[in-house]
Amino acid sequence: GAGVSQSPSNKVTEKGKDVELRCDPISGHTALYWYRQSLGQGLEFLIYFQGNSAPDKSGLPSDRFSAERTGGSVSTLTIQRTQQEDSAVYLCASSLGRTLGAEAFFGQGTRLTVV
Amino acid sequence: AQSVTQLDSQVPVFEEAPVELRCNYSSSVSVYLFWYVQYPNQGLQLLLKYLSGSTLVKGINGFEAEFNKSQTSFHLRKPSVHISDTAEYFCAVSDGGSQGNLIFGKGTKLSVKP
Repeated sequence: GAGVSQSPSNKVTEKGKDVELRCDPISGHTALYWYRQSLGQGLEFLIYFQGNSAPDKSGLPSDRFSAERTGGSVSTLTIQRTQQEDSAVYLCASSLGRTLGAEAFFGQGTRLTVV
Repeated sequence: AQSVTQLDSQVPVFEEAPVELRCNYSSSVSVYLFWYVQYPNQGLQLLLKYLSGSTLVKGINGFEAEFNKSQTSFHLRKPSVHISDTAEYFCAVSDGGSQGNLIFGKGTKLSVKP
């Protein structure tokens, strides 16, 4: 596709359930980022994939959060045993990675509501 | 580790007034700096970036930013704002090296009033 695609656009889940959020990056982009956007918290970095390198997971808030990137393309962010504080907009972005100062292109996000 | 501080969470201004949105960063290596904008109910898009060379960079919609290495700042400015500039603005830093991660500030909400 022409841009970064995220699905679903909205997700309502019950506390304690697991959720999977999907990101399709722009074709050819080697870098992929996940962020969480909460009111008043700005863009909180979660995880960063760059090519075949080990991902930078330093932003994941707890072991309930995990992400994988299959074949260097599609990525899935999984949140296990969701809590109400997980409610936020989850944004995915991709870029050309090691290209000097490459611009990151963002998807529209998945709005997660935990009830 | 890199970090970004946006000193103002909200900036209200009147239409046609000048505005400056402040951004300071910390990094132990050379950095690349970015400003992104998020209009209401829209995704983030790049406004401008600094990679090297001239410290004054110009972006879309009449915005510009100046890189100041000694003050570790990258403030965003516009001489005369419009109602349509109402949005949230995010400053970001990347070391562009083997890490290459992109770290954002908490954002500044610019509200332009008539």
